[in-house]
Amino acid sequence: DAGVTQSPTHLIKTRGQQVTLRCSPKSGHDTVSWYQQALGQGPQFIFQYYEEEERQRGNFPDRFSGHQFPNYSSELNVNALLLGDSALYLCASSAGQGIYEQYFGPGTRLTVT
Amino acid sequence: RKEVEQDPGPFNVPEGATVAFNCTYSNSASQSFFWYRQDCRKEPKLLMSVYSSGNEDGRFTAQLNRASQYISLLIRDSKLSDSATYLCVVNYGADKIIFGKGTRLHILP
Repeated sequence: DAGVTQSPTHLIKTRGQQVTLRCSPKSGHDTVSWYQQALGQGPQFIFQYYEEEERQRGNFPDRFSGHQFPNYSSELNVNALLLGDSALYLCASSAGQGIYEQYFGPGTRLTVT
Repeated sequence: RKEVEQDPGPFNVPEGATVAFNCTYSNSASQSFFWYRQDCRKEPKLLMSVYSSGNEDGRFTAQLNRASQYISLLIRDSKLSDSATYLCVVNYGADKIIFGKGTRLHILP
């Protein structure tokens, strides 16, 4: 049973660039949530996708956008990167809309220089 | 008052001891609660959901106190492998989920 997978594992970008991160949910899950985790902090909720639509959103600017595909996989896009966007980006999947028991992927570590 | 607060620790506890963490939340409309553990440079992993009646899973017991607005996690007979950061998670409803900053636990041999 495949768990949540994310790609790439690590990424280095420069300020002003754009980045796309990818996530495949756990088998049987149809909901994907994205989180940003800075060093020494808990994960912060970015948004959640269900049925290919953004259903819930945390306190993140419009530079953060996403997409969900018919196979439930998802992408997180960040435009106009800032140094402060450097963090671990985690994808979590769950079954059904809403925040229930979630299973996290290993994350993508983004460094903005 | 922060929405979700945890004692950051670290808690240094000898192997075999019992340790307890609390997590306080500020919004009484909170609907669901979870404990996750996170190992260094790894993703969070679901440890337990927290139910109003309290729940137990082996050496782990989670409780919810809605009147005082906190949840707790008790670990009995601690093992070296229990060393990790424990994250409290509060769901306020359809559009808000808050993770605490986590409590670091070190089990000492």
